[in-house]
Amino acid sequence: SQTIHQWPATLVQPVGSPLSLECTVEGTSNPNLYWYRQAAGRGLQLLFYSVGIGQISSEVPQNLSASRPQDRQFILSSKKLLLSDSGFYLCAWRGPGVPGELFFGEGSRLTVL
Amino acid sequence: QQQVKQSPQSLIVQKGGIPIINCAYENTAFDYFPWYQQFPGKGPALLIAIRPDVSEKKEGRFTISFNKSAKQFSLHIMDSQPGDSATYFCAASPPVGTSGSRLTFGEGTQLTVNP
Repeated sequence: SQTIHQWPATLVQPVGSPLSLECTVEGTSNPNLYWYRQAAGRGLQLLFYSVGIGQISSEVPQNLSASRPQDRQFILSSKKLLLSDSGFYLCAWRGPGVPGELFFGEGSRLTVL
Repeated sequence: QQQVKQSPQSLIVQKGGIPIINCAYENTAFDYFPWYQQFPGKGPALLIAIRPDVSEKKEGRFTISFNKSAKQFSLHIMDSQPGDSATYFCAASPPVGTSGSRLTFGEGTQLTVNP
């Protein structure tokens, strides 16, 4: 069966520090991968998606970047965090050719102080 | 064109009541409409989904009603329980291979079911 792992689960970082959140998927090949951000009490904002290794599409211009160094690995990064980067970050995957059904990780809660 | 509008933002019902959450979309190319359930501190999980060729789908106590001509769909929770208290998101997706087939989510509805 397929599983998705996301870490760290919780992170408190000072403004201006770097960020790296990692997501890996097991049990599937060539998944579509997504990073979402959810502010407190708000909806899901798509940040990046990837349909293959090295292929990244950005939905929202911002202080973040994403990379996909391996088929089932998706990394969200920042060189210098801003206060506004605080939120709940969710990684998700979908099988290739499978419409709509996203599977989400447990999330990473980032607090920037 | 890509928006999915969801209402209400929050909803409080008594145990056994039937909360109804509504969504409307604009893009007629959408062909897959899932609902996600999210508990605090957790990632959303797929609850139930429907395609536009059917008007209703039931899975247990959860029912999606779909009105293609009105471009609206709704989630009904029968005999609601306190354990159903969560945030519910509707979503819509274009056909596979279109724009990464990424989901457009509604803003979410925070449901509270009182005992």
